[in-house]
Amino acid sequence: AAGVIQSPRHLIKEKRETATLKCYPIPRHDTVYWYQQGPGQDPQFLISFYEKMQSDKGSIPDRFSAQQFSDYHSELNMSSLELGDSALYFCASSLGRGQISTDTQYFGPGTRLTVL
Amino acid sequence: AQSVAQPEDQVNVAEGNPLTVKCTYSVSGNPYLFWYVQYPNRGLQFLLKYITGDNLVKGSYGFEAEFNKSQTSFHLKKPSALVSDSALYFCAVRVRMEIIFGKGTRLHILP
Repeated sequence: AAGVIQSPRHLIKEKRETATLKCYPIPRHDTVYWYQQGPGQDPQFLISFYEKMQSDKGSIPDRFSAQQFSDYHSELNMSSLELGDSALYFCASSLGRGQISTDTQYFGPGTRLTVL
Repeated sequence: AQSVAQPEDQVNVAEGNPLTVKCTYSVSGNPYLFWYVQYPNRGLQFLLKYITGDNLVKGSYGFEAEFNKSQTSFHLKKPSALVSDSALYFCAVRVRMEIIFGKGTRLHILP
């Protein structure tokens, strides 16, 4: 079965640079979520989109922005990168159909961002 | 605030023995509870979820979880552990669009 695709899988950037992470949800899934997992930590929710509109917002820094496109893929844009942004960034997708709380989120393999 | 707690950082079990990974929750309203597993350098894989209905939920790879409302627990169980079950397990609760994860329990299955 098709899964969530994330690209790139690994990314190395310098401080103050920008980065763009891409997420392609499972076909027919209309909702995407972004999470950040620091070293040895549990994943933390950043932001979500349903039908191309932001649906919920978590601990996403102001330096980050995200959007969902008409084909439901999503991009997380990160500017003025800091050393502390080094983490594993997960995208997840679900088939919302209005069931906000009960639908299962399926996670991609993650993008490992290293900021030097 | 909605949260889940995993009291054990690590659990060691001999192969073939039953395993339990503990989770307790603190939720206002109906809890929507999940278990995910993370293998090294890989993403989070969905194991099972409790929304409503039977307290015993069966999931992938032979895992099951028991929802206990009076004890506010959602422990993950498997009757016979495999070495390949060794991984990091996260209990989680769904709050609006967000999944809130516990700190994770590292499960070691000893051959």
